[in-house]
Amino acid sequence: GESVGLHLPTLSVQEGDNSIINCAYSNSASDYFIWYKQESGKGPQFIIDIRSNMDKRQGQRVTVLLNKTVKHLSLQIAATQPGDSAVYFCAENRVGNTGKLIFGQGTTLQVKP
Amino acid sequence: DTGVSQDPRHKITKRGQNVTFRCDPISEHNRLYWYRQTLGQGPEFLTYFQNEAQLEKSRLLSDRFSAERPKGSFSTLEIQRTEQGDSAMYLCASSLLQEESEAFFGQGTRLTVV
Repeated sequence: GESVGLHLPTLSVQEGDNSIINCAYSNSASDYFIWYKQESGKGPQFIIDIRSNMDKRQGQRVTVLLNKTVKHLSLQIAATQPGDSAVYFCAENRVGNTGKLIFGQGTTLQVKP
Repeated sequence: DTGVSQDPRHKITKRGQNVTFRCDPISEHNRLYWYRQTLGQGPEFLTYFQNEAQLEKSRLLSDRFSAERPKGSFSTLEIQRTEQGDSAMYLCASSLLQEESEAFFGQGTRLTVV
């Protein structure tokens, strides 16, 4: 079947540490992936994306890694801050499709001061 | 504010009543999406518009649900004869037509059916 899922429902880290949030997908035809951050009571907010022809992409304090061999995606957040506390979703968007997103279940990131 | 706007933010309704939600996308965005999100889950795709044309509907969208985008700008999502299982956050997103265009989400409408 088709699914985009995350390994852990909750991740707790100390402020200043690095965070790694993981995601597994099952469809090898997937060719575009996005990480979203969702704070309580708000809509998902785009963080970073990556195409399937790339292995790594970096943004400000965030890095996304894609391992197509094992169909695994990860989001690394450097120097995690309290403002990073939120639910993080990976989503799949197939190029040439309508642009609709298939979301995983999400990982809640808790940052301890 | 030039982001995606949704109205109302919260709606409480009695079972059996009809409700209508509105979404105003970013003005130059051709694509508009509706998603539904229940507690602890990721958003689930409901339907998609390209300009005024509704091009895709999920099986989740029962015949009690209808969405429109009459002039290719704002969109409405109506739920008729609401059921308790309809209680969820209804999210609207918009994007440009180009492939891999970032989708911007609104704040959502929280529906509670009592």
